[in-house]
Amino acid sequence: GNSVTQMEGPVTLSEEAFLTINCTYTATGYPSLFWYVQYPGEGLQLLLKATKADDKGSNKGFEATYRKETTSFHLEKGSVQVSDSAVYFCALSEGYNFNKFYFGSGTKLNVKP
Amino acid sequence: AAGVIQSPRHLIKEKRETATLKCYPIPRHDTVYWYQQGPGQDPQFLISFYEKMQSDKGSIPDRFSAQQFSDYHSELNMSSLELGDSALYFCASSPNAGNTEAFFGQGTRLTVV
Repeated sequence: GNSVTQMEGPVTLSEEAFLTINCTYTATGYPSLFWYVQYPGEGLQLLLKATKADDKGSNKGFEATYRKETTSFHLEKGSVQVSDSAVYFCALSEGYNFNKFYFGSGTKLNVKP
Repeated sequence: AAGVIQSPRHLIKEKRETATLKCYPIPRHDTVYWYQQGPGQDPQFLISFYEKMQSDKGSIPDRFSAQQFSDYHSELNMSSLELGDSALYFCASSPNAGNTEAFFGQGTRLTVV
């Protein structure tokens, strides 16, 4: 079946620190991979995506590369800001229903000034 | 720009009561998805609709039903509510044009007491 495993949080960093949130997946076919961000009291917002192996998704300084050989899609950012504090969800979708997501458990990021 | 509108934003119901959640997709979006996010949990896919027909079904209890109307808005009906139904219910919409992004609403927070 399909599943996503991501590192547990919370992750606490100082401003300008380097961020990595690990995400690995299990899928029966050829999934598309996503990172969603959820700010307090808000809905989920798409941060970035990659639809095939070796693709790199990037947005707002965040990057993630679709690694089929390691079934991973780790999220990275070189220099985090306080405004990046949120919960980050790794997700996959597969097949004809592109927006039917299997989410990871979410990683809460706290960035301190 | 218009976003996905969900109503109500907050709802408190007693056990065994019925609740109806509404979702108004972005104009010209013909596909709607419902997700349930329990406290501290990852969002779980419930059901999706395309052109007023159910397109996929996930872990939706038999006590729940949903439909999409001619104006593309969708309603999630929940009967015989249980304490475990307390969650944030998200709706997302997308145009059904290949691998296009889904946009999430801010969610309805249902509390069953």
